[in-house]
Amino acid sequence: GAVVSQHPSRVICKSGTSVKIECRSLDFQATTMFWYRQFPKKSLMLMATSNEGSKATYEQGVEKDKFLINHASLTLSTLTVTSAHPEDSSFYICSAPTTYGYTFGSGTRLTVV
Amino acid sequence: TQLLEQSPQFLSIQEGENLTVYCNSSSVFSSLQWYRQEPGEGPVLLVTVVTGGEVKKLKRLTFQFGDARKDSSLHITAAQPGDTGLYLCAGVGRASGTYKYIFGTGTRLKVLA
Repeated sequence: GAVVSQHPSRVICKSGTSVKIECRSLDFQATTMFWYRQFPKKSLMLMATSNEGSKATYEQGVEKDKFLINHASLTLSTLTVTSAHPEDSSFYICSAPTTYGYTFGSGTRLTVV
Repeated sequence: TQLLEQSPQFLSIQEGENLTVYCNSSSVFSSLQWYRQEPGEGPVLLVTVVTGGEVKKLKRLTFQFGDARKDSSLHITAAQPGDTGLYLCAGVGRASGTYKYIFGTGTRLKVLA
């Protein structure tokens, strides 16, 4: 149990466009979702924490207007990368706390060309 | 923000050798998790340590939680090529009244056959 489904797994987009990444909790209610970004061969860097029904909390240095996070329901949190640029290319992954610990999405590889 | 510093950052060893990875913080953690991550995938939980001084074994992997719960170590005996990957410690930190799940800086292990 406690599965987080993340989509898409890979996306290639043009500079200037927006990309939405979804994380759905399949068999539990995720009141909190952590969003991470990971550069090649580096650790996971926490970008923001989303809480259902309230505004997300962003980490220092993360642009709120660029990385829009919505957590409108207990089973869905989304991260939208707006006006994407090549430097936004990265691996994005979500995680939610559960009774069993923290469960992770499978990640999204974003490439901006 | 609480930080989890891992050392070494990178380790390349021959098959059969032993190694230890360290995870250190200036803050106390109620528990720490250790993960292994393969490229393009989410982290896979190896173990959770909760009690100060606790030692847990998972086949050839031995995990220890420091007495003060500020540090942890992962020791691998007789490393195998299949142990290659990114090893991450993680724990719940608190900053500005917000709880967040943060990862260590990571240790990239490469075991050569």
